[in-house]
Amino acid sequence: AQRVTQPEKLLSVFKGAPVELKCNYSYSGSPELFWYVQYSRQRLQLLLRHISRESIKGFTADLNKGETSFHLKKPFAQEEDSAMYYCALISGGGADGLTFGKGTHLIIQP
Amino acid sequence: DAGVTQSPTHLIKTRGQHVTLRCSPISGHKSVSWYQQVLGQGPQFIFQYYEKEERGRGNFPDRFSARQFPNYSSELNVNALLLGDSALYLCASSSTPGQHYEQYFGPGTRLTVT
Repeated sequence: AQRVTQPEKLLSVFKGAPVELKCNYSYSGSPELFWYVQYSRQRLQLLLRHISRESIKGFTADLNKGETSFHLKKPFAQEEDSAMYYCALISGGGADGLTFGKGTHLIIQP
Repeated sequence: DAGVTQSPTHLIKTRGQHVTLRCSPISGHKSVSWYQQVLGQGPQFIFQYYEKEERGRGNFPDRFSARQFPNYSSELNVNALLLGDSALYLCASSSTPGQHYEQYFGPGTRLTVT
């Protein structure tokens, strides 16, 4: 069965410091990986996806198939980055929906 | 476009009752998925519908059912409610199903079972 693991429930860093949110997955095929973000009082929204290979709001994520990881990184954290971050995967044509991790609450301290 | 809309926003039910949750997708989107998010957990996939047909189903009991209407809106029904059904129920829409199409989420319906 496919699984997404986010080992950190809470991550607190200071403004300007680097951020890395960890995500590991288990799936035998070729899934598509995503990072979703939920800001306070807002709905869940897509932050980035591995096939796009783009940087959104300064965040990047590289799929490492050898380590089955998809860590989210940002070199300099900003206060507006404080939010819940969910790593997710989808596979098999998408009929099984997204499989989410439990989420990491990122707090950026001033 | 207001995005994906869900109703009601909040709902309180008693054990054993039945509940119906509603979702309207983004205009032009034909696929709707439902997720359950228990406090402290990530969303868990329940159903996916496309063109009024069930396309995928997660690991949920038969008490959970859904349908999609000709206008692509959708209902999620839960029978014989249990305390453990208390959760935020999220609806997501996409233009078509498939893993390459972004899912847009609604604000959710908060269900409390007492």
